[in-house]
Parts: sequence; structure tokens; C-alpha cells
Amino acid sequence: ETGVTQSPTHLIKTRGQQVTLRCSSQSGHNTVSWYQQALGQGPQFIFQYYREEENGRGNFPPRFSGLQFPNYSSELNVNALELDDSALYLCASSPTGGGSYEQYFGPGTRLTVT
Amino acid sequence: DQQVKQNSPSLSVQEGRISILNCDYTNSMFDYFLWYKKYPAEGPTFLISISSIKDKNEDGRFTVFLNKSAKHLSLHIVPSQPGDSAVYFCAASVRTGANNLFFGTGTRLTVIP
Repeated sequence: ETGVTQSPTHLIKTRGQQVTLRCSSQSGHNTVSWYQQALGQGPQFIFQYYREEENGRGNFPPRFSGLQFPNYSSELNVNALELDDSALYLCASSPTGGGSYEQYFGPGTRLTVT
Repeated sequence: DQQVKQNSPSLSVQEGRISILNCDYTNSMFDYFLWYKKYPAEGPTFLISISSIKDKNEDGRFTVFLNKSAKHLSLHIVPSQPGDSAVYFCAASVRTGANNLFFGTGTRLTVIP
């Protein structure tokens, strides 16, 4: 069973640029959530996708957007990057139904904005 | 507003002893609680969870206790092993809707051989 994978591992961007981060869900999982983890903090929920539709969103501005594809992989797009967007971005997948509420995380993408 | 709090940034225990990590929450709507372990350069790894209808859940060396009236949960690790050294995050969710997780800020556990 393949776990959650993310790419790239590290990324350096300049303020004002745009970035796309990618995630492949764990096999059999149809729900994907994205989290931002700033240094010294716990992960913060950005949004969740289920069946290619946004299924919930945290307190993040519209310049954070996402996509989910038919194979349940997902992208996180961030426009007009700001210095405060520097963080570890985590993708988590979970099955829907069956009474399972755990989310399984990928290794993350470390984004640095200069 | 931090809805899940871990007030101890770090904890050191001797190998073989019990490690107790604590977590408090403010939102009474939370009905599912989880503990994750995180090593450097890796994503959080799910450890153990508990539903609000229970007050204890055990899995091997790991036991989670939930006190709903105090809005407090704790993770007990017995016996502690050096490989348990990591950052531990407490998380909570409301199982309807998006079931997104609210995380605490983490406790760094160091198990001394």
C-alpha cells in the first residue's frame, strides 16, 4: 500500500510569484486535506477536497486554491506569494465512510518565500 | 484563537518510565481526538484516537485518556523508549462536515537512554 506522497520536497520562491504543490493520496482514499505548518506551530487547515469539490475551508484567503483530480491526487496553488507563506505544507488523505476519521499525512513541501 | 492547546513545549523522561503528554481544548463541539507523532523532515504519523463517547483507548504502549468535563486529554506512553523521541501533536475534530483537524502546537518528547 502506497502512502501519501508530495512534490516537490523543497521550493524557494520570490514574493509575488505563484506556486503549485502536488499530492498523491494513499491508495483507496478519496478525501484530501491541505494544512500549513508555520515554524513552531501546529498544522493549520487550509481546505479539503472530496470527489473533486471543495468540502470545507479554513481561514485562508482566496489566493490559496486547490484542485482534486479523478484519481484523487490534488494540487495546492498559492498566488501572489507573501513572506508569511513560508511554511511546511502538508497534504493528508482519508477514506470516507467506514467510521474512520483519521487523516494520513505526506512528508510535506517546505516552501520558502524570499 | 487556539482551540487546542498543548501547554508543555517539551518533556524529558528516562527510558522505561512513563511519558504523559497533556492537551486541553475549548470547543465543546469536538467529538473526536487524535494524537500524531512527528519526526524531523517527515509528516505527522497517526498514533491513536478516541471518540468522545469513550474515556480511554489503549493500543500497545500508548493509552489516551479523555476527560470531557475538563476538556482535557492525555497520552500515556509506557514504557518509554528512545525511539519515541519526537514531537507529539494533539488534534481534535467535529466528525460532521469536513472533519478538519485542529492541532495543538506540539510537545517535544525526549526519552533519555
